[in-house]
Amino acid sequence: GEDVEQSLFLSVREGDSSVINCTYTDSSSTYLYWYKQEPGAGLQLLTYIFSNMDMKQDQRLTVLLNKKDKHLSLRIADTQTGDSAIYFCAEMGRSGDYKLSFGAGTTVTVRA
Amino acid sequence: GAVVSQHPSWVICKSGTSVKIECRSLDFQATTMFWYRQFPKQSLMLMATSNEGSKATYEQGVEKDKFLINHASLTLSTLTVTSAHPEDSSFYICSGEGREDLYNEQFFGPGTRLTVL
Repeated sequence: GEDVEQSLFLSVREGDSSVINCTYTDSSSTYLYWYKQEPGAGLQLLTYIFSNMDMKQDQRLTVLLNKKDKHLSLRIADTQTGDSAIYFCAEMGRSGDYKLSFGAGTTVTVRA
Repeated sequence: GAVVSQHPSWVICKSGTSVKIECRSLDFQATTMFWYRQFPKQSLMLMATSNEGSKATYEQGVEKDKFLINHASLTLSTLTVTSAHPEDSSFYICSGEGREDLYNEQFFGPGTRLTVL
């Protein structure tokens, strides 16, 4: 299967911006997603971007997609303690079977 | 967004017993459901794709006789871990494929923590 890679850890001060990076290898990806997982819980979809878009903004979240470099990032503005969680990048290929390939997850720790 | 529930949320069982985990789409019909396994501090690994009324498609390396999947209706899929062993202890997450806005999305359940003693 195709690989999705993420940095494993990020520590950020409350009020600062967080940037989580992800790279993928499947050039036929149709959708790319960011999910949030809090301890002991399932995955919550934060946002997604279609592969023909460069940027998407949703309140405090900004997603940037560089399709040429197969690089995806998630920026969280004004990071709060409630943003502490694991963030997963995922991509859906063009196969039509809706399978997702996940990165290993970035643990974001927000310090006061 | 659409809601997916899992039951039980956690289960402890003895080695050699079987455990059934239910995954339900509460407010939408899921033609396709997915079962994932997540080890501590690791990503989700897809185990199988389950289509209503047909046999599940298992990913490479996943034993279909050990992890029995049944998708009897558009709102219910079950995963049975047969003859469970301690190495089967994990966090199992299901998702249902449904339509949100203009595209199809996977909606995830809250997960089931299985501990095999």
